[in-house]
Amino acid sequence: DAGVTQSPTHLIKTRGQQVTLRCSPKSGHDTVSWYQQALGQGPQFIFQYYEEEERQRGNFPDRFSGHQFPNYSSELNVNALLLGDSALYLCASSLSRTAGTGELFFGEGSRLTVL
Amino acid sequence: AQKITQTQPGMFVQEKEAVTLDCTYDTSDPSYGLFWYKQPSSGEMIFLIYQGSYDQQNATEGRYSLNFQKARKSANLVISASQLGDSAMYFCAMREGLGNQFYFGTGTSLTVIP
Repeated sequence: DAGVTQSPTHLIKTRGQQVTLRCSPKSGHDTVSWYQQALGQGPQFIFQYYEEEERQRGNFPDRFSGHQFPNYSSELNVNALLLGDSALYLCASSLSRTAGTGELFFGEGSRLTVL
Repeated sequence: AQKITQTQPGMFVQEKEAVTLDCTYDTSDPSYGLFWYKQPSSGEMIFLIYQGSYDQQNATEGRYSLNFQKARKSANLVISASQLGDSAMYFCAMREGLGNQFYFGTGTSLTVIP
């Protein structure tokens, strides 16, 4: 049973560039959330996708956008990169809230460095 | 105000001993869920244990137990019989009501000493 997979695992960009991160959820999961984890901090909620729609968004600017595909996989796009966007980006999948405790299952993350 | 507070940046424990990691939370929603996650150096967050706000008993999962004190708004994680593989970052998290967002604390780094 494949868990949450993310790509790429590491990448380096320069200020002003754009980046796309990808995520495949755990088999059977229909909901994908994205979190940003800065060094030494806990994860911060970016947004959640369900049925190909953004269901909820955290306190992140519009430079952060996403998409969910019919197969439930998801992408996170960040435009006009800033140095402060350097972080570990975690994708988490879950079942819709009607099932169980709704715990999140995480991938190993994509570590983004902005120079 | 912080939704989740973890006041122990780092903790040390002797192998085979028990350790308690502290977590306090802040919410006005009567319905909420509390979660603990382990994050090894690989980066993946691993779910450990869950406690619902209406659960009458403290949650247990193997060597993990959650000391839930609702009136004090605390949800401490107890790890019994520590193992070297328990060395990692530990995060407390909360989800409020019907919300989809998890709020995480800043984490506690646990080191198990042989």
